[in-house]
Amino acid sequence: GAVVSQHPSWVICKSGTSVKIECRSLDFQATTMFWYRQFPKQSLMLMATSNEGSKATYEQGVEKDKFLINHASLTLSTLTVTSAHPEDSSFYICSAPTAAANTGELFFGEGSRLTVL
Amino acid sequence: QKEVEQDPGPLSVPEGAIVSLNCTYSNSAFQYFMWYRQYSRKGPELLMYTYSSGNKEDGRFTAQVDKSSKYISLFIRDSQPSDSATYLCAMRNDYKLSFGAGTTVTVRA
Repeated sequence: GAVVSQHPSWVICKSGTSVKIECRSLDFQATTMFWYRQFPKQSLMLMATSNEGSKATYEQGVEKDKFLINHASLTLSTLTVTSAHPEDSSFYICSAPTAAANTGELFFGEGSRLTVL
Repeated sequence: QKEVEQDPGPLSVPEGAIVSLNCTYSNSAFQYFMWYRQYSRKGPELLMYTYSSGNKEDGRFTAQVDKSSKYISLFIRDSQPSDSATYLCAMRNDYKLSFGAGTTVTVRA
């Protein structure tokens, strides 16, 4: 099946620094990618929709200036957590739909665990 | 009220038992229904994908959708310890998924 790759899988940073997470679709092109956040023992919450060549669409309550999303190519979207704080520590997961019109299945990356000290 | 309700469990069953999971939803616009399996510290893995009401079988897994009742189920037959994971239901009417809270399942050897 389709593969979505995330990097890094695990990152620790100091409070106030910025962290960039990459999401790549390895064997298909994705004009749209989704970024989710998952806190321990909770479900995935959609943060934003990344659109290739245009601005991302953020869900209500998600600070667009804090979570910068760039979708520069059809296979790469990046999420930058700016001025990270301990409350930003979470599991960030990206997903991308395949182009199949009838299914549009979503495939998820392996996730990136961010710990802010 | 959440759009998707799922009992978080945990659910513990002996090896070989049938695991029964379910979700209810409130948005009648949902058209696609999915079950994902998530191991600890990993991204979700798609297990089953259904579009219409009825049953869909794939090996030991059976997914059921009842749109009239807004209720979906996942059954795992002959459960194995390797099935121990968190199972998330998800549904959508476009590409935006709404997830259940996930049910943590442990299959005891």
